[in-house]
Amino acid sequence: KAGVTQTPRYLIKTRGQQVTLSCSPISGHRSVSWYQQTPGQGLQFLFEYFSETQRNKGNFPGRFSGRQFSNSRSEMNVSTLELGDSALYLCASSLDPTDQPQHFGDGTRLSIL
Amino acid sequence: GENVEQHPSTLSVQEGDSAVIKCTYSDSASNYFPWYKQELGKRPQLIIDIRSNVGEKKDQRIAVTLNKTAKHFSLHITETQPEDSAVYFCAASKAKLVFGTGTRLLVSP
Repeated sequence: KAGVTQTPRYLIKTRGQQVTLSCSPISGHRSVSWYQQTPGQGLQFLFEYFSETQRNKGNFPGRFSGRQFSNSRSEMNVSTLELGDSALYLCASSLDPTDQPQHFGDGTRLSIL
Repeated sequence: GENVEQHPSTLSVQEGDSAVIKCTYSDSASNYFPWYKQELGKRPQLIIDIRSNVGEKKDQRIAVTLNKTAKHFSLHITETQPEDSAVYFCAASKAKLVFGTGTRLLVSP
């Protein structure tokens, strides 16, 4: 069974631009969560989607948004990029929100110049 | 909201020794506690997890204990090997995972 797939793996943007990251969960998994990982702040929860609905949201500004499609694939979008948005963005999937074991993808490393 | 503290931040042991990493959480309603291992440049991998209705769980050289009264849980690795070297993260969850700050474990041959 294929794991969680995130694209692209690397991305370089400049301040003020926007970016869209993609996550395909493990087949059969319907819950997708997004995390930001930085050396200073560690792993921080962004949001969780299940059945195309956002179930939970972390403490990030409204520039960070996401969505989930009917096939459970998810995208997250960051608008008006800031230098501080440079990070590894990780996606994790689980069967559903009550089946907690989450399995991570390799992440998208976003660098803002 | 939930807050998870993890100690120590770095841990150096000799091959064959045991390693213990401790975490405390603030929200008594948290009911799920996973541990992840992240090697350099790789994804976090789930190595063991425990639910609030269980006090201890073992998987070969790895064990996790949970003390709900004290709101702390620990990861125990016995007979450590160099390939155990990585950053380990604990997490606590009621509705969403809140991670600790990580422990860098170095196992020297």
